[in-house]
Parts: sequence; C-alpha cells; structure tokens
Amino acid sequence: DTGVSQDPRHKITKRGQNVTFRCDPISEHNRLYWYRQTLGQGPEFLTYFQNEAQLEKSRLLSDRFSAERPKGSFSTLEIQRTEQGDSAMYLCASSPTGDEQFFGPGTRLTVL
Amino acid sequence: QKEVEQDPGPLSVPEGAIVSLNCTYSNSAFQYFMWYRQYSRKGPELLMYTYSSGNKEDGRFTAQVDKSSKYISLFIRDSQPSDSATYLCANKLTGGGNKLTFGTGTQLKVEL
Repeated sequence: DTGVSQDPRHKITKRGQNVTFRCDPISEHNRLYWYRQTLGQGPEFLTYFQNEAQLEKSRLLSDRFSAERPKGSFSTLEIQRTEQGDSAMYLCASSPTGDEQFFGPGTRLTVL
Repeated sequence: QKEVEQDPGPLSVPEGAIVSLNCTYSNSAFQYFMWYRQYSRKGPELLMYTYSSGNKEDGRFTAQVDKSSKYISLFIRDSQPSDSATYLCANKLTGGGNKLTFGTGTQLKVEL
C-alpha cells in the first residue's frame, strides 16, 4: 500500500504528558498537511509544509504544538503538556499539487 | 456562521435509492470543491474533486457545483449498504498550498 501512513493509530496518555505522532506521505508528494478532527465535526486545518518548509499554521496550533518535516519526507507532530481538550483524531494528508489532498488513517489521541 | 455548512443527518435511505447530499458555502473565493467519504474511525477518502460549476460524474457518483448560489451537491445512484458513511464537503481557495475547509459532514445510512 503506497498511501499515507500514520503511527501510532491510537495513543492513550495522561494529562500533562508529551506525545509525538508520525506521518509518512505518499512518495514524491511535496506538500503535507496536518488536521484535527473531533467527534461530529469535520477536520480542521492545523499546519502545512511544502518540502521541509512550514508555510502556514492555524491559530488552533497553540504553543504546545510543534510540527516538523526535517528532510521533506516524513513529518512529526508533537503535543507538549497534553490537556483533555487535545483528545481528537489527528489526520495527515499529502498532495502533489496542493489541490487534491489524500488522507491517512489518522491517529486517535485520548487524554485521560 | 460557518464557512461550509452541511446537514449532519443521519439520512436513512433504502438500498437502491438515489441519494442527494448537499452543502452550502459562504466564501466566494472558494474555487475548488471536494467530496470525501469517511467510514467510522477511518481517515477521509477523496471521492470527487472539481473546480468549476456544472456536473462531474464518476461511476455511481455525480458532483454538482453552482457557484452563483454557492451550493454543492453529491448524488449517489443505486445506493448500497457499503455507501453507509459520513460524507464531508470540503472547499479550497485558489492557489497550490491552501488548506481545505470542511463542513461537519452528513451521516448516510443505506438500509437493506
């Protein structure tokens, strides 16, 4: 399968802990996006990379959130000092052109 | 008012019915329109993508865009139980890197 992959698929953590998620985009897709989705809502944009450059960040991305794409391939999203409100599905998408975006299976975060 | 609005449903139809799913948007600058299908606890799957007013057909699916009224529809012919999912409408501004703005999604149930 050459689609977008995400790891882990499910993460349970205690409030105050740090967590890191990984996204591997479709090969040769230079654009990579992170979204967050809560129950009953559509995905909301968090941040966007073109190659290794982070070009756009949503105001939803508080100081506790940081994303990297060090070599323009995989990306990581870290949440520091997690809060219960961070519980959500974190989705990664990639695109060759910026128009059609292809999503991964998501990482479901539960903060206890 | 949200930029992209959808009736959350659930919408229940009998197998074989023609399904009509609708979406409205408020931002005239949206130029690209997409429909995603999302099964429970999975990532969104791109179904249809268009950037112009009019109809686009792909198998049992037809996407219809009316930019003058800011109204988007997805029609599913000969609906199957496997079509039971949440259908997300997503819009994007022109340009290569912009985020997708999603509606809340409409939950569809196709019953035997």
